[in-house]
Amino acid sequence: KAGVTQTPRYLIKTRGQQVTLSCSPISGHRSVSWYQQTPGQGLQFLFEYFSETQRNKGNFPGRFSGRQFSNSRSEMNVSTLELGDSALYLCASSISGRARTDTQYFGPGTRLTVL
Amino acid sequence: EDQVTQSPEALRLQEGESSSLNCSYTVSGLRGLFWYRQDPGKGPEFLFTLYSAGEEKEKERLKATLTKKESFLHITAPKPEDSATYLCAFSSGSARQLTFGSGTQLTVLP
Repeated sequence: KAGVTQTPRYLIKTRGQQVTLSCSPISGHRSVSWYQQTPGQGLQFLFEYFSETQRNKGNFPGRFSGRQFSNSRSEMNVSTLELGDSALYLCASSISGRARTDTQYFGPGTRLTVL
Repeated sequence: EDQVTQSPEALRLQEGESSSLNCSYTVSGLRGLFWYRQDPGKGPEFLFTLYSAGEEKEKERLKATLTKKESFLHITAPKPEDSATYLCAFSSGSARQLTFGSGTQLTVLP
């Protein structure tokens, strides 16, 4: 079974621009979560989507947004990029995110560099 | 406030030298304690989930244990390919997101 895929793998943007990252979950998984990883803050939760609805949101500004499509694929968007948005953005999928035994499986990430 | 702390931050071992990584947590309503391995430039790779104190799980040279306040990842006779950053995380209450520790960077020297 194919794992979680993320595109693109690398991005370079300049301040003020916006960016869209894509995530395809493992087949059959309906929950998609997004995390930001930086050397200073570690892994931090951004938001989670299930059945095209945002179920949970972390403590990030409104410039960070996302959506999920009917096939469970998800995108996240960052508008008005700042230098501090440079990070590895990770997507994780799980079957439903509801069961206690649900496990999140991570993709390889998208490395975003903001100049 | 729920939180998780990992120690040590970095650990260097000789091949075959067994050791343990620590994950201390303060969580109300623990749903699960997770261990992941992360190689440079890659996403975290799932290792184990533990749900209740006293639980243990093993996979090859790795063994994870859980008490009411800590989890340990024991590495027996490590090999250079075990070098990676090991992350622990928890989910709690009705929250579905994972809260991660800062990780332990393990280097196994040949």
